[in-house]
Amino acid sequence: GQQLNQSPQSMFIQEGEDVSMNCTSSSIFNTWLWYKQDPGEGPVLLIALYKAGELTSNGRLTAQFGITRKDSFLNISASIPSDVGIYFCAGQLGTGNQFYFGTGTSLTVIP
Amino acid sequence: GAVVSQHPSWVICKSGTSVKIECRSLDFQATTMFWYRQFPKQSLMLMATSNEGSKATYEQGVEKDKFLINHASLTLSTLTVTSAHPEDSSFYICSANFRGRRIQYFGAGTRLSVL
Repeated sequence: GQQLNQSPQSMFIQEGEDVSMNCTSSSIFNTWLWYKQDPGEGPVLLIALYKAGELTSNGRLTAQFGITRKDSFLNISASIPSDVGIYFCAGQLGTGNQFYFGTGTSLTVIP
Repeated sequence: GAVVSQHPSWVICKSGTSVKIECRSLDFQATTMFWYRQFPKQSLMLMATSNEGSKATYEQGVEKDKFLINHASLTLSTLTVTSAHPEDSSFYICSANFRGRRIQYFGAGTRLSVL
Protein backbone atom coordinates (compact mmCIF):
# COMPACT_ATOMS: atom_id res chain seq x y z
CA GLY A 1 0.00 0.00 0.00
CA GLN A 2 0.88 3.65 -0.03
CA GLN A 3 3.36 4.87 2.55
CA LEU A 4 2.72 8.14 4.30
CA ASN A 5 5.60 9.42 6.39
CA GLN A 6 4.55 11.57 9.28
CA SER A 7 6.92 13.63 11.40
CA PRO A 8 7.80 14.13 14.06
CA GLN A 9 6.94 10.80 15.61
CA SER A 10 6.45 12.42 19.00
CA MET A 11 6.52 15.87 20.53
CA PHE A 12 6.78 17.15 24.10
CA ILE A 13 5.93 20.82 24.41
CA GLN A 14 5.03 23.40 27.01
CA GLU A 15 1.48 24.63 27.26
CA GLY A 16 1.07 27.74 25.13
CA GLU A 17 3.64 26.77 22.52
CA ASP A 18 2.81 26.31 18.86
CA VAL A 19 3.03 22.89 17.21
CA SER A 20 3.83 21.90 13.67
CA MET A 21 3.73 18.46 12.10
CA ASN A 22 3.77 17.22 8.54
CA CYS A 23 2.98 14.30 6.32
CA THR A 24 4.71 13.36 3.09
CA SER A 25 4.10 10.81 0.39
CA SER A 26 5.69 9.59 -2.78
CA SER A 27 2.29 9.64 -4.46
CA ILE A 28 0.02 12.50 -5.48
CA PHE A 29 -3.17 12.74 -3.43
CA ASN A 30 -6.38 14.55 -4.20
CA THR A 31 -7.55 14.71 -0.59
CA TRP A 32 -5.79 15.15 2.74
CA LEU A 33 -7.47 14.63 6.09
CA TRP A 34 -6.16 15.25 9.58
CA TYR A 35 -7.43 13.31 12.61
CA LYS A 36 -6.85 13.33 16.37
CA GLN A 37 -7.12 10.12 18.36
CA ASP A 38 -7.47 9.94 22.11
CA PRO A 39 -6.54 6.69 23.93
CA GLY A 40 -9.20 4.02 23.51
CA GLU A 41 -11.20 6.09 21.04
CA GLY A 42 -11.62 6.22 17.31
CA PRO A 43 -9.97 8.99 15.31
CA VAL A 44 -11.89 12.25 15.15
CA LEU A 45 -11.74 14.34 12.00
CA LEU A 46 -10.13 17.75 12.45
CA ILE A 47 -9.65 19.22 8.99
CA ALA A 48 -10.28 18.16 5.39
CA LEU A 49 -8.32 19.54 2.42
CA TYR A 50 -9.26 19.10 -1.24
CA LYS A 51 -7.15 21.45 -3.35
CA ALA A 52 -3.44 21.96 -3.81
CA GLY A 53 -2.38 25.00 -1.84
CA GLU A 54 -5.57 25.04 0.21
CA LEU A 55 -5.20 26.44 3.71
CA THR A 56 -7.99 25.63 6.16
CA SER A 57 -8.44 26.52 9.82
CA ASN A 58 -10.47 24.98 12.60
CA GLY A 59 -10.09 27.09 15.71
CA ARG A 60 -6.45 26.95 16.76
CA LEU A 61 -5.70 24.34 14.11
CA THR A 62 -4.54 25.18 10.62
CA ALA A 63 -3.73 22.69 7.88
CA GLN A 64 -2.40 23.11 4.37
CA PHE A 65 -2.51 20.98 1.26
CA GLY A 66 0.97 21.07 -0.24
CA ILE A 67 1.47 22.54 -3.69
CA THR A 68 3.07 19.35 -4.94
CA ARG A 69 0.03 17.39 -3.63
CA LYS A 70 2.47 15.03 -1.99
CA ASP A 71 2.45 16.62 1.43
CA SER A 72 0.36 18.33 4.06
CA PHE A 73 1.01 20.27 7.25
CA LEU A 74 -0.90 20.71 10.48
CA ASN A 75 -0.20 23.54 12.90
CA ILE A 76 -1.65 24.01 16.36
CA SER A 77 -1.31 27.40 17.95
CA ALA A 78 -1.17 28.14 21.67
CA SER A 79 -1.36 24.50 22.72
CA ILE A 80 -3.44 23.47 25.73
CA PRO A 81 -3.45 20.23 27.75
CA SER A 82 -6.48 18.81 25.92
CA ASP A 83 -4.48 18.85 22.68
CA VAL A 84 -2.70 15.76 23.97
CA GLY A 85 -3.24 12.76 21.73
CA ILE A 86 -2.08 11.14 18.52
CA TYR A 87 -2.53 13.03 15.28
CA PHE A 88 -2.87 11.17 12.01
CA CYS A 89 -2.83 12.38 8.45
CA ALA A 90 -4.69 10.49 5.76
CA GLY A 91 -4.51 10.82 2.01
CA GLN A 92 -6.71 9.66 -0.81
CA LEU A 93 -5.48 8.99 -4.32
CA GLY A 94 -7.36 10.20 -7.35
CA THR A 95 -9.27 6.96 -7.69
CA GLY A 96 -11.01 4.74 -5.18
CA ASN A 97 -12.41 5.32 -1.73
CA GLN A 98 -9.51 4.11 0.37
CA PHE A 99 -7.57 6.51 2.54
CA TYR A 100 -3.98 5.80 3.49
CA PHE A 101 -2.84 6.75 6.95
CA GLY A 102 0.33 8.26 8.27
CA THR A 103 2.35 6.77 11.08
CA GLY A 104 1.03 9.28 13.61
CA THR A 105 2.46 12.05 15.76
CA SER A 106 2.11 11.68 19.51
CA LEU A 107 1.69 15.06 21.20
CA THR A 108 2.29 15.64 24.88
CA VAL A 109 1.55 19.06 26.36
CA ILE A 110 3.21 19.89 29.64
CA PRO A 111 1.16 22.26 31.79
CA GLY B 1 -22.42 14.34 16.84
CA ALA B 2 -21.22 10.93 15.78
CA VAL B 3 -21.99 9.87 12.24
CA VAL B 4 -20.64 6.34 12.61
CA SER B 5 -21.66 4.15 15.51
CA GLN B 6 -19.69 1.08 16.57
CA HIS B 7 -20.76 -1.54 19.07
CA PRO B 8 -19.65 -2.95 21.44
CA SER B 9 -16.93 -0.63 22.69
CA TRP B 10 -15.24 -3.39 24.68
CA VAL B 11 -15.59 -7.14 24.66
CA ILE B 12 -13.85 -9.88 26.60
CA CYS B 13 -14.22 -13.44 25.42
CA LYS B 14 -12.76 -16.88 25.92
CA SER B 15 -10.38 -18.37 23.41
CA GLY B 16 -12.23 -20.30 20.71
CA THR B 17 -15.41 -18.22 20.77
CA SER B 18 -16.59 -15.87 18.03
CA VAL B 19 -17.21 -12.18 18.46
CA LYS B 20 -19.32 -9.89 16.30
CA ILE B 21 -18.71 -6.15 16.01
CA GLU B 22 -21.27 -3.85 14.42
CA CYS B 23 -20.67 -0.65 12.52
CA ARG B 24 -23.57 1.60 11.59
CA SER B 25 -23.72 4.76 9.56
CA LEU B 26 -26.10 7.25 11.13
CA ASP B 27 -28.39 9.31 8.93
CA PHE B 28 -26.57 8.41 5.74
CA GLN B 29 -26.09 5.46 3.49
CA ALA B 30 -22.63 3.98 3.22
CA THR B 31 -22.06 1.69 0.27
CA THR B 32 -18.50 1.25 1.45
CA MET B 33 -17.20 0.81 4.96
CA PHE B 34 -13.71 0.01 6.16
CA TRP B 35 -12.39 -2.13 8.98
CA TYR B 36 -9.08 -1.34 10.65
CA ARG B 37 -6.99 -2.95 13.32
CA GLN B 38 -4.75 -0.93 15.57
CA PHE B 39 -2.01 -2.12 17.91
CA PRO B 40 -0.90 0.05 20.83
CA LYS B 41 0.93 3.18 19.76
CA GLN B 42 0.73 2.24 16.11
CA SER B 43 -1.14 3.54 13.11
CA LEU B 44 -4.32 2.13 11.64
CA MET B 45 -3.95 -1.01 9.58
CA LEU B 46 -6.62 -1.53 6.96
CA MET B 47 -8.00 -5.05 7.17
CA ALA B 48 -10.75 -4.99 4.58
CA THR B 49 -13.14 -2.89 2.57
CA SER B 50 -16.76 -3.79 3.12
CA ASN B 51 -19.03 -3.40 0.11
CA GLU B 52 -22.80 -3.41 0.41
CA GLY B 53 -24.33 -6.36 -1.36
CA SER B 54 -21.06 -7.97 -2.36
CA LYS B 55 -18.05 -9.67 -0.89
CA ALA B 56 -15.57 -7.72 1.14
CA THR B 57 -12.15 -6.96 -0.24
CA TYR B 58 -9.42 -8.11 2.13
CA GLU B 59 -5.95 -6.69 2.40
CA GLN B 60 -3.01 -8.97 1.86
CA GLY B 61 -2.27 -11.10 4.88
CA VAL B 62 -5.74 -10.81 6.41
CA GLU B 63 -7.51 -14.15 6.75
CA LYS B 64 -10.97 -13.82 5.29
CA ASP B 65 -12.18 -16.97 7.04
CA LYS B 66 -10.95 -15.59 10.33
CA PHE B 67 -12.43 -12.13 9.95
CA LEU B 68 -15.86 -12.45 8.39
CA ILE B 69 -17.38 -9.27 7.05
CA ASN B 70 -21.02 -8.83 6.15
CA HIS B 71 -22.40 -5.62 4.70
CA ALA B 72 -26.04 -6.59 4.49
CA SER B 73 -27.54 -3.11 4.32
CA LEU B 74 -26.54 0.40 3.37
CA THR B 75 -26.16 1.36 7.01
CA LEU B 76 -24.68 -1.72 8.65
CA SER B 77 -21.48 -3.68 8.33
CA THR B 78 -20.41 -6.39 10.75
CA LEU B 79 -17.04 -7.91 11.50
CA THR B 80 -17.02 -11.35 13.09
CA VAL B 81 -13.79 -12.62 14.58
CA THR B 82 -14.20 -16.38 14.40
CA SER B 83 -12.59 -18.77 16.86
CA ALA B 84 -10.80 -15.93 18.54
CA HIS B 85 -7.37 -16.45 20.08
CA PRO B 86 -5.31 -14.22 22.37
CA GLU B 87 -3.30 -12.93 19.41
CA ASP B 88 -6.53 -11.50 17.99
CA SER B 89 -6.74 -9.15 20.95
CA SER B 90 -6.58 -5.66 19.54
CA PHE B 91 -8.45 -2.43 18.89
CA TYR B 92 -10.78 -2.70 15.91
CA ILE B 93 -12.17 0.41 14.25
CA CYS B 94 -14.63 0.87 11.43
CA SER B 95 -15.15 3.85 9.18
CA ALA B 96 -17.37 5.02 6.37
CA ASN B 97 -17.02 7.53 3.59
CA PHE B 98 -19.64 10.17 4.21
CA ARG B 99 -22.26 10.27 1.48
CA GLY B 100 -19.75 9.51 -1.23
CA ARG B 101 -17.74 12.58 -0.35
CA ARG B 102 -14.00 12.58 0.00
CA ILE B 103 -14.20 12.35 3.74
CA GLN B 104 -14.12 9.47 6.17
CA TYR B 105 -15.62 9.21 9.63
CA PHE B 106 -14.70 6.64 12.24
CA GLY B 107 -16.54 4.69 14.85
CA ALA B 108 -15.38 4.86 18.45
CA GLY B 109 -13.61 1.52 18.16
CA THR B 110 -13.95 -1.86 19.85
CA ARG B 111 -11.36 -3.21 22.22
CA LEU B 112 -11.25 -7.00 21.99
CA SER B 113 -9.59 -8.98 24.72
CA VAL B 114 -9.35 -12.73 24.22
CA LEU B 115 -8.51 -14.73 27.32
